[in-house]
Amino acid sequence: QVQLVQSGAEVKKPGASVRISCKASGYTFTDYAIHWLRQAPGQKFEWVGWINAADGHTKYSKKFQDRVTITRDTSATIAYLEMSSLRSDDTAVYFCARIRLFYYYGMDVWGLGTTVTVSS
Amino acid sequence: DIVMTQSPLSLPVTPGAPASISCRSNQTLLHSNGYNYVDWYLQKPGQSPQLLIYLGSNRAPGVPDRFSGSGSGADFTLKISRVEAEDVGVYYCMQPLQTPFTFGPGTKVDLK
Repeated sequence: QVQLVQSGAEVKKPGASVRISCKASGYTFTDYAIHWLRQAPGQKFEWVGWINAADGHTKYSKKFQDRVTITRDTSATIAYLEMSSLRSDDTAVYFCARIRLFYYYGMDVWGLGTTVTVSS
Repeated sequence: DIVMTQSPLSLPVTPGAPASISCRSNQTLLHSNGYNYVDWYLQKPGQSPQLLIYLGSNRAPGVPDRFSGSGSGADFTLKISRVEAEDVGVYYCMQPLQTPFTFGPGTKVDLK
């Protein structure tokens, strides 16, 4: 079935980097974009950025663009989110979700989330 | 950035009764293509969000027809015609019109 499987929880120290993966299966990877979002405790959902799985084009929220890189491996059908210079307020659950390219049908499949804890 | 607001933030409901959630944006979400770029998601306890409604009024595949979305411009509503126990959770509206996509604060629906 169609699913996005995310990597496991991470615990990092302030200033470190983290890379989270999102493995897609059950559909044509390059027909969709992968978006990354996060949900910090007690905070609104935040959109981090997205990657066009077909051509690798990316766009990031200005809030994160200096610290975030989104990449994809089309042969492995995996998208990655890398965030550097982590701070305590980056502690959150990070989700990947897909959106169909060219025809908008919403974020119709989500990963289960990856908890990132930033603590000294 | 587009700011999304929701009301109410908490909604106790009686099973079988209707429910309604309002979502407003600080700028129009009506695209020149005629579609309103607002989605509705439900996050059940301990789960990822699930898509209910996209482009204002289109039910996602598999979503029961007791869920409906309406509105245009900057004022939108999600209605549940008859709430069931499985509908509890936090409902979010989201605008995908422009980046950064932004979400409302969420409306927590639980049973009375």
